[in-house]
Amino acid sequence: DQQVKQNSPSLSVQEGRISILNCDYTNSMFDYFLWYKKYPAEGPTFLISISSIKDKNEDGRFTVFLNKSAKHLSLHIVPSQPGDSAVYFCAATGPGGQGGSQGNLIFGKGTKLSVKP
Amino acid sequence: NAGVTQTPKFRVLKTGQSMTLLCAQDMNHEYMYWYRQDPGMGLRLIHYSVGEGTTAKGEVPDGYNVSRLKKQNFLLGLESAAPSQTSVYFCASSKLLNEKLFFGSGTQLSVL
Repeated sequence: DQQVKQNSPSLSVQEGRISILNCDYTNSMFDYFLWYKKYPAEGPTFLISISSIKDKNEDGRFTVFLNKSAKHLSLHIVPSQPGDSAVYFCAATGPGGQGGSQGNLIFGKGTKLSVKP
Repeated sequence: NAGVTQTPKFRVLKTGQSMTLLCAQDMNHEYMYWYRQDPGMGLRLIHYSVGEGTTAKGEVPDGYNVSRLKKQNFLLGLESAAPSQTSVYFCASSKLLNEKLFFGSGTQLSVL
């Protein structure tokens, strides 16, 4: 039973346009959400996060939107650049960092973004 | 500043063999984690540690053991490797529990 779902395995976008990556969650106890970016043969790197007390967080070209009623968050990248091509993971955790029954950060399966020049 | 360092980067084992994956962090983080990533799957937590001398089970702990004798090091052991343990293993650390994890570059393990 997936608690964090990224339903699009891949996304292709033209350079300069907006990339929108989506993530849905089922656990209403989740209150902190993160996005990680992963290049091949490297470990994931932290990109941006959002607390459930906010509905938007922005960092440069990256903005995360949270819709708590829909249990949905999205990552917007504007403008998209070829260097943004990577796998993006959405992750969620609960109060005090306690996500899931084992107290861990729950990751989605990832969305592979390809930005074409 | 090296961040999180994992060794080895690649390893091939035969079924039943044992090995230890090493993880070191130089950021003085309290929390350390071991994850595995399988094709088409997200990262799944194996074990984690909330401080020196502590360990706790994650989502998929069976077949693995861990130790955190020093704050900067977190070891993952496979006592009797199985083909189902073929995976990419990532170590991570963080200042706060489950927030802004810093990951190592991974260990590709194949069990034949």
